[in-house]
Amino acid sequence: AQKVTQAQTEISVVEKEDVTLDCVYETRDTTYYLFWYKQPPSGELVFLIRRNSFDEQNEISGRYSWNFQKSTSSFNFTITASQVVDSAVYFCALSEAGGTGNQFYFGTGTSLTVIP
Amino acid sequence: KAGVTQTPRYLIKTRGQQVTLSCSPISGHRSVSWYQQTPGQGLQFLFEYFSETQRNKGNFPGRFSGRQFSNSRSEMNVSTLELGDSALYLCASSLEYRGGLTGNTIYFGEGSWLTVV
Repeated sequence: AQKVTQAQTEISVVEKEDVTLDCVYETRDTTYYLFWYKQPPSGELVFLIRRNSFDEQNEISGRYSWNFQKSTSSFNFTITASQVVDSAVYFCALSEAGGTGNQFYFGTGTSLTVIP
Repeated sequence: KAGVTQTPRYLIKTRGQQVTLSCSPISGHRSVSWYQQTPGQGLQFLFEYFSETQRNKGNFPGRFSGRQFSNSRSEMNVSTLELGDSALYLCASSLEYRGGLTGNTIYFGEGSWLTVV
C-alpha cells in the first residue's frame, strides 16, 4: 500500500496566486516525521520543511506554510504569492520512528508550474 | 558548508556493463542513503549505510550493491545493466542513523543521471 499519496499530479497557477499541495499519509507508528522536498529540473531534492507527529502546531515560514492534520492524516503545503522560481516538482515524504534507519517513503510528486 | 556531492552527474552505459556511482556526504554526516528515481516508479529506497555497514535495503535485486568507507563516502554499483536501470540515482546524507524521537532529516545531492542503451 502506498504510504504517501499526492493526488495532484500537475498544478498550474498564475504568478502571485496562492497554491496548496496536498499530501495524505498512512502509518501505524505513533511517532513519525513528515517532510516536503522540492525538485527543480537540475534533479536535486531540496529540503523545505519538516514536521514531527507529536507537534501539531502549524507554522509559517516566509511564503511557505503547512497544515498538519493528524485526524485526517494530511500534511498540506501552501505557497503564498507564488513566483516563477517556485516551478518544480514537490514531494511529500514520511519517515517512521519505528522503521529502520532513515528510510523515507515518498509520494509520486506534484509538478507545479507558475505562469508569469 | 558543502552539500552532498555526487559523481558523475551524467553517464551512458551499454546493457550488460556495470557502473559505479560515488557520493560524498555533508561534512559530519555519517549516514548515507541511496534512492532510484524513475518516471514509472518514482523515488524508491535502495539502501542505507552507516559506519561502513549496510543497515537497511530496499526491494532491489542483488545487482545493486554499495559500500561505505571510513570517511563516510559511499559508492553504489550496478552490475549487468538493464535498460530499466536508466534512472536518476540520488544520494542522501544525514547526521545519524537513528534519530530517536527527534528523527533525522536527509539531504540530497544533485544525483547521477544514468542512461542504459
